Amino acid sequence: DAKTTQPNSMESNEEEPVHLPCNHSTISGTDYIHWYRQLPSQGPEYVIHGLTSNVNNRMASLAIAEDRKSSTLILHRATLRDAAVYYCIPARSGAGSYQLTFGKGTKLSVIP
Amino acid sequence: DTGVSQDPRHKITKRGQNVTFRCDPISEHNRLYWYRQTLGQGPEFLTYFQNEAQLEKSRLLSDRFSAERPKGSFSTLEIQRTEQGDSAMYLCASSYLRTASSGNTIYFGEGSWLTVV
Repeated sequence: DAKTTQPNSMESNEEEPVHLPCNHSTISGTDYIHWYRQLPSQGPEYVIHGLTSNVNNRMASLAIAEDRKSSTLILHRATLRDAAVYYCIPARSGAGSYQLTFGKGTKLSVIP
Repeated sequence: DTGVSQDPRHKITKRGQNVTFRCDPISEHNRLYWYRQTLGQGPEFLTYFQNEAQLEKSRLLSDRFSAERPKGSFSTLEIQRTEQGDSAMYLCASSYLRTASSGNTIYFGEGSWLTVV
């Protein structure tokens, strides 16, 4: 499995953009980059995933470096509900084993 | 819209007792996963099923743990002779495998908290 490096914690003011970085320099060429988040006392929640191109959905945007060794999750306007632990997870897709290997993630605090 | 459902949400048991957790995946999801999470750590993979077949088990899944998915629908995770170290949140997740080249989104339940006293 590819090793990931994320900041232990980050802070953001409410309604400001947040950029959460992740380094995954050993990522395989076929690994998708997934982001999940986990609110307190809840199970992880899917946020977004991508392979090479930048991706957008209603929750966030994912910017993937051209060499795929890093990516950034972008929350365009942080809300108090976005306070969570964010996990960056490279993972293989397809018919083979598809387990997600979670690290410790980045704990995002949102300041009102 | 029903997500992944887990039962019970909380369980307190005495050391040495057996416990069983149930997971109902999202309807028509053919893959089902079990994870364990202890305080301050990310979830750790335990095992997964594709339909009724258990395809992979982690080394974390000792012989006291057994998981089943009869008929490829709901799943149970049983822990026999519980130990204090088994205290954790047990997460179930499910997904639908479409093609060999698609990204596979996994949906998690809210977890079952186990406290062994």
